[in-house]
Amino acid sequence: DGGITQSPKYLFRKEGQNVTLSCEQNLNHDAMYWYRQDPGQGLRLIYYSQIVNDFQKGDIAEGYSVSREKKESFPLTVTSAQKNPTAFYLCASSIASGSYEQYFGPGTRLTVT
Amino acid sequence: AQKVTQAQTEISVVEKEDVTLDCVYETRDTTYYLFWYKQPPSGELVFLIRRNSFDEQNEISGRYSWNFQKSTSSFNFTITASQVVDSAVYFCALSERVYNQGGKLIFGQGTELSVKP
Repeated sequence: DGGITQSPKYLFRKEGQNVTLSCEQNLNHDAMYWYRQDPGQGLRLIYYSQIVNDFQKGDIAEGYSVSREKKESFPLTVTSAQKNPTAFYLCASSIASGSYEQYFGPGTRLTVT
Repeated sequence: AQKVTQAQTEISVVEKEDVTLDCVYETRDTTYYLFWYKQPPSGELVFLIRRNSFDEQNEISGRYSWNFQKSTSSFNFTITASQVVDSAVYFCALSERVYNQGGKLIFGQGTELSVKP
């Protein structure tokens, strides 16, 4: 089955630790995205990648880092510099960048205490 | 600046009622795309529809229908004969067609729909 997987579904970390969220897709999509969702709010774009070995900052990139070494994978690292890391993180992909529909993974709920 | 407004934060209906979710957008571009997504309690966003700015025809898919009115910058979503399984948060989103740049979606705040039996 084609789709996007994110692991783990729930993640707990202590303050000051970096943590990496996994995102894998087997849809053969070129573009991938990371969003953050806070309770009662819409989605905000953290980073996106139009193609392998390329990525751009979104609206709230501070305290986050990404890599895109393979087409299928777009991991997100939440660093200790991110002031409020507790949130729901959603990964998405689309066939290409532009105005194509994005397909989302199941999300990772990160709690930092 | 691009913006999407979903003024209804929460809506509660009884099963079999029709319900309309409002979406108003702002953009300076003449070419743009509009989307609706559904987020059930599991959390994963499910794509429902994509509409470009040149296509103002209403669309119907089963119990779902969409009304796009460029004159009022609105792209409203109606669920006919609502069911409990329709309970979810619904997001409207806007994307401009910008060559050689990422396809950023601008999301509204979402409308939480609760359908009671």
